[in-house]
Amino acid sequence: EDQVTQSPEALRLQEGESSSLNCSYTVSGLRGLFWYRQDPGKGPEFLFTLYSAGEEKEKERLKATLTKKESFLHITAPKPEDSATYLCAVTRLTGGGNKLTFGTGTQLKVEL
Amino acid sequence: ETGVTQTPRHLVMGMTNKKSLKCEQHLGHNAMYWYKQSAKKPLELMFVYNFKEQTENNSVPSRFSPECPNSSHLFLHLHTLQPEDSALYLCASSQEGDVYEQYFGPGTRLTVT
Repeated sequence: EDQVTQSPEALRLQEGESSSLNCSYTVSGLRGLFWYRQDPGKGPEFLFTLYSAGEEKEKERLKATLTKKESFLHITAPKPEDSATYLCAVTRLTGGGNKLTFGTGTQLKVEL
Repeated sequence: ETGVTQTPRHLVMGMTNKKSLKCEQHLGHNAMYWYKQSAKKPLELMFVYNFKEQTENNSVPSRFSPECPNSSHLFLHLHTLQPEDSALYLCASSQEGDVYEQYFGPGTRLTVT
């Protein structure tokens, strides 16, 4: 069974204090790993897709990286508007179709 | 409108009521999904439709009945729900296949009394 574990569950940062969120996965043949951002009361917003170990993608203050066992979402010099829950999900190579398996998320709070 | 829309945004229903959730996507996608999101739990996939055909039913109780009349619209018909069914119900869409990201609607916050 595919599993996705995210850590920490919650993270509080000061504005400008860089950090990383972790997503560990167990899947029988990874097809893709997805990062989403979710604001309270809203649906998840797509951020990145990573397909193979070594791949990196960036968007503004966010950078996602992928290894064979985990993915990191690096947040550089965060601002209060980066506060949200960040979700990680995977889909597998065979038999997975377009089914995503999600982690429980990391709730990020960035304070002034 | 653009993206994925869902109505209603909030719904309170009794255990004997029948109601329906509606989802519409304006992205030209051909796969649509229903998810359930409960506090402290991962998003749970409920149903998948590809080209209007249901391709996944993730052991969902029969009190939840999906309907996909075309690639742009998806419904979730609800009847005889239980209090533990209270959750955020999210609709998503994507291109068909396993490499495409899914785009989510804002969700319907359902409370069963």
